[in-house]
Amino acid sequence: DADVTQTPRNRITKTGKRIMLECSQTKGHDRMYWYRQDPGLGLRLIYYSFDVKDINKGEISDGYSVSRQAQAKFSLSLESAIPNQTALYFCATSEENTQYFGPGTRLLVL
Amino acid sequence: GQSLEQPSEVTAVEGAIVQINCTYQTSGFYGLSWYQQHDGGAPTFLSYNALDGLEETGRFSSFLSRSDSYGYLLLQELQMKDSASYFCAVPSGSARQLTFGSGTQLTVLP
Repeated sequence: DADVTQTPRNRITKTGKRIMLECSQTKGHDRMYWYRQDPGLGLRLIYYSFDVKDINKGEISDGYSVSRQAQAKFSLSLESAIPNQTALYFCATSEENTQYFGPGTRLLVL
Repeated sequence: GQSLEQPSEVTAVEGAIVQINCTYQTSGFYGLSWYQQHDGGAPTFLSYNALDGLEETGRFSSFLSRSDSYGYLLLQELQMKDSASYFCAVPSGSARQLTFGSGTQLTVLP
């Protein structure tokens, strides 16, 4: 079984809809992250969390919110989706200097 | 803030050696990481250099020069499966959140 899982893997939604992307991990890591990747670009950090009580904004947090429900679960929400949020979203955990990425969620906002 | 520069594309033939360079500007430096990403897949960790010098892991090596704010990833005995995007990244902050370069698309030709 994968250590970092994301659901859904693909999602199509309409402008203005609220959607949630979910991430779960079995690695037992405290630190978790949400990144977004646009075609031909590197990953950009949206939010990160040290633990359940510590959540921090990243480089591009506007239009997004997160919830750390447990050590193992970190969810990303788009309160009102817009087309320029169409992207590939990755969740990650880390230990020391290594990050472990989930398989990604491909989101299309129409 | 952090910024990283790397070439957008590199092409080489099977069995050859290729070097992917990365220069960085950071407000605080912990080390330089490299990740591999096959098309549409999750980034996977390759290496991390905190100190100057060359570190070797099988066919892949990574080099760092902190005085030059420069590093490179060296891939030897190229195989077709090495065709992928390679990202350099620097961790920052207490959560070691990553800032990524835009990635280098490596194409290995038969």
